[in-house]
Amino acid sequence: ETVLTQSPATLSLSPGERATLSCRASQTISSYLVWYQQKPGQAPRLLIYDVFNRATGIPARFSGSGSGTDFTLTISSLEPEDFAVYYCQQRVNWPFTFGPGTKVDIK
Amino acid sequence: EVLLLESGGGLVQPGGSLRLSCTVSGFTFRGYAMSWVRQAPGKGPECVSGINGGGDGSYYADTVQGRFTISRDNSKNTLYLQMNSLRADDTAIYYCAKGGGPTTYYFASWGQGILVTVSS
Repeated sequence: ETVLTQSPATLSLSPGERATLSCRASQTISSYLVWYQQKPGQAPRLLIYDVFNRATGIPARFSGSGSGTDFTLTISSLEPEDFAVYYCQQRVNWPFTFGPGTKVDIK
Repeated sequence: EVLLLESGGGLVQPGGSLRLSCTVSGFTFRGYAMSWVRQAPGKGPECVSGINGGGDGSYYADTVQGRFTISRDNSKNTLYLQMNSLRADDTAIYYCAKGGGPTTYYFASWGQGILVTVSS
């Protein structure tokens, strides 16, 4: 099973600041890395698939990068609605595992 | 508009069974892999099971292998999850999720989720 680790666990930032979230895989997953956003009481929402492809309707301030085992989600300038938990997921081999999440909260 | 609506959850005793259903609309159902993803209270998501668009290939997490069965009826636009021998650690919100293609397992759309509670 491919284990994903995310860092930091919590990121405390102010609106307008840049957020950089990391996801590391225990083995290479090529470019099959996906990012989701989840707000309390809601289902996760697809942000980015296969490293850098933004899902429909996702603003350009969200971007993804990386390959192999190390990946990054960047939010260029935080908006109030961006404070949430972010999960990465690998889809290269079953089980399609998620990371433990990074909570982005308001400083 | 893509819609996914889960049903069939609730409270069940350990060792019991439940059948979840997910009725979808707004897309060509048979053209997409579908999955059940669960989330225990305060935890991250877990992929429980997935099935390809044609219904002839499926996957299970080790934690549910042999107890859960995923299926789909493409004529009824409905996904199912038969859950047997339920345990307390199966307690979670269960989401139905649409894939990115017939064999593509990222979760492009999600239902609102349904709560399954396993408790005596």
